[in-house]
Amino acid sequence: DTAVSQTPKYLVTQMGNDKSIKCEQNLGHDTMYWYKQDSKKFLKIMFSYNNKELIINETVPNRFSPKSPDKAHLNLHINSLELGDSAVYFCASSQVASNQPQHFGDGTRLSIL
Amino acid sequence: DQQVKQNSPSLSVQEGRISILNCDYTNSMFDYFLWYKKYPAEGPTFLISISSIKDKNEDGRFTVFLNKSAKHLSLHIVPSQPGDSAVYFCAAMLYGQNFVFGPGTRLSVLP
Repeated sequence: DTAVSQTPKYLVTQMGNDKSIKCEQNLGHDTMYWYKQDSKKFLKIMFSYNNKELIINETVPNRFSPKSPDKAHLNLHINSLELGDSAVYFCASSQVASNQPQHFGDGTRLSIL
Repeated sequence: DQQVKQNSPSLSVQEGRISILNCDYTNSMFDYFLWYKKYPAEGPTFLISISSIKDKNEDGRFTVFLNKSAKHLSLHIVPSQPGDSAVYFCAAMLYGQNFVFGPGTRLSVLP
């Protein structure tokens, strides 16, 4: 029973398109995150979100937007895809305020043609 | 500006020997540190953590040491096993969130 699941696992698309990546967690955590792992393998946080607050990494272009229909889901929408958006995107969740570790999904490899 | 650094991109160790992975950080306000392990095509999984008020935490074959004055932590794996071959990420937390990850170290345990 997967704790954090994200779909699709692979996404290949053309430059300029709009795409979404879905993420769901069944751990009852109060906070969800999106990370980007770039070509140099750095894991960089893009957003953290709970039902009260969205924290955005200021370096993230506004073409990227998180959407949370409920506490268990945090989807990532990307508009006008660019070549530099090619990366692996990881969703994660945790219970904040108790120093609990994050639980990660298996990643979505996005390739822009 | 990397707040968490792992200066060794890779490390090879013989099976049965000790693996030592190092991590340095710059922000003295970090109050919790974690190690994650990542296999190819999978997400990182939590391995072990340590609070900034401690200097050592042990869990089976894994021990994390924290030297606050040097802003340095290390992960010791002993004895190393082939299944330990993975990428290891060091991460730091502030007030329960604001996770910052290092770039990772690829560990290869040779049989």
